[in-house]
Amino acid sequence: AQTVTQSQPEMSVQEAETVTLSCTYDTSESNYYLFWYKQPPSRQMILVIRQEAYKQQNATENRFSVNFQKAAKSFSLKISDSQLGDTAMYFCAFMEVHSNYQLIWGAGTKLIIKP
Amino acid sequence: KAGVTQTPRYLIKTRGQQVTLSCSPISGHRSVSWYQQTPGQGLQFLFEYFSETQRNKGNFPGRFSGRQFSNSRSEMNVSTLELGDSALYLCASSLAGRGGGEKLFFGSGTQLSVL
Repeated sequence: AQTVTQSQPEMSVQEAETVTLSCTYDTSESNYYLFWYKQPPSRQMILVIRQEAYKQQNATENRFSVNFQKAAKSFSLKISDSQLGDTAMYFCAFMEVHSNYQLIWGAGTKLIIKP
Repeated sequence: KAGVTQTPRYLIKTRGQQVTLSCSPISGHRSVSWYQQTPGQGLQFLFEYFSETQRNKGNFPGRFSGRQFSNSRSEMNVSTLELGDSALYLCASSLAGRGGGEKLFFGSGTQLSVL
């Protein structure tokens, strides 16, 4: 069975700093998708970034980028120039290609950006 | 374009009762999936519907059921409520339903408290 592990329950950094959130996963599949979602206090889950396992190039979305290491089964999220609005729970998630939206989630990392 | 709408936002029930939660996807989206979020178990996949058919189901007892209507709106039902069913129930919709890691759009959830 696939599992997703986020080893950092909580992190805090100063505004404008760079922070990296860790995620490892376990699967025997070769083709899958990885995601980082953000859940602010409003509770709505918001997609931050998505990575397709067959693509070697790391995904980037503005200040957000990932370091995808397929062999190591590692998928970390880097947030550059962090902003107060980045304060939220961050979840790493895994999806098999033909799983019909069965996301497997990590436990989450609470990120606090301090002014 | 309106987002994913979940109603009600909050719900309080007592043990043994049943409850129905509603999810209206983004217009044009045909896939709706449901997730349960609790502090202890984290986020877990419940089921996914596409064109009124359940395509995938997570590891939940038969007390949890759902359905999708011809307009893609979905409902989930929990019968004989237990204290452990207290959770945030999240609904997500997707456009084409290919199950291939497409972007999921989430609602703000229904917070269910079972007393």
